[in-house]
Amino acid sequence: GAGVSQSPSNKVTEKGKDVELRCDPISGHTALYWYRQSLGQGLEFLIYFQGNSAPDKSGLPSDRFSAERTGGSVSTLTIQRTQQEDSAVYLCASSFRGLAVYNEQFFGPGTRLTVL
Amino acid sequence: KNEVEQSPQNLTAQEGEFITINCSYSVGISALHWLQQHPGGGIVSLFMLSSGKKKHGRLIATINIQEKHSSLHITASHPRDSAVYICAVRSTQGGSEKLVFGKGTKLTVNP
Repeated sequence: GAGVSQSPSNKVTEKGKDVELRCDPISGHTALYWYRQSLGQGLEFLIYFQGNSAPDKSGLPSDRFSAERTGGSVSTLTIQRTQQEDSAVYLCASSFRGLAVYNEQFFGPGTRLTVL
Repeated sequence: KNEVEQSPQNLTAQEGEFITINCSYSVGISALHWLQQHPGGGIVSLFMLSSGKKKHGRLIATINIQEKHSSLHITASHPRDSAVYICAVRSTQGGSEKLVFGKGTKLTVNP
C-alpha cells in the first residue's frame, strides 16, 4: 500500500466497553509497532511484532491490553474494559525489517480514542 | 531521568531564523530518529542516522555517538516549519527494537 493505514481514525466509547484498533502496515514490511500518545505526554512504546510473533510486549500497560497480528500483515490492538486513562492517540508504525537492522519506521495517522 | 532528553521544550522564532533543537540520550543506540508531528497529529520521519550528518533541503541532522548527542537544524525557518519535533532512539539494550522517545520540542515560527 501507499502507507500505513489505521482505522478507525476516531473512536469514542463508554468506560467499560471493549475496543479494537486496526493497523494495516506497508505491504512487505515485516516489523510492526504500536505506540500511544496521551494528551500532553510523549510517545510511549506498547508492543512490537516481527512477523506474527511479538518479541517485545514490555510496553503494554496492563492485561486489559492485547494485540495480535495475522498473516504477517494486519494487526489489531484490543483494549478490554476501557478506562478513562486509556484515552490517547494510538499510533502504528511499520518497517521493512526489525531485527538489528538499520531501518526506518513509517507511521500511520493514528486512532484517537476517547473513553467517556 | 529520561533516557532521551530534548531541549528546548518550546521554541519561538521569527521567519528566516536559524533553528537548533538538541537531543541527548543515555543508552547505547543503533539508530536515532528525528520525527515531525504537525498539529493534526500525523508523524513524519525526517531523518534516521547512526553517525555523522544528513541534510535534506533546509533540514540538517547531526549526531555525535561519543557524546551521545544529536542536533536538528533548520535553516531559513518558515511558518510551515511550525510543529513538534521529536527525537527517538532505538536502544540496543536487551536486543529490543523499540523506539524510546523524547518529549518533543514545540517550534513556532512567526511570519
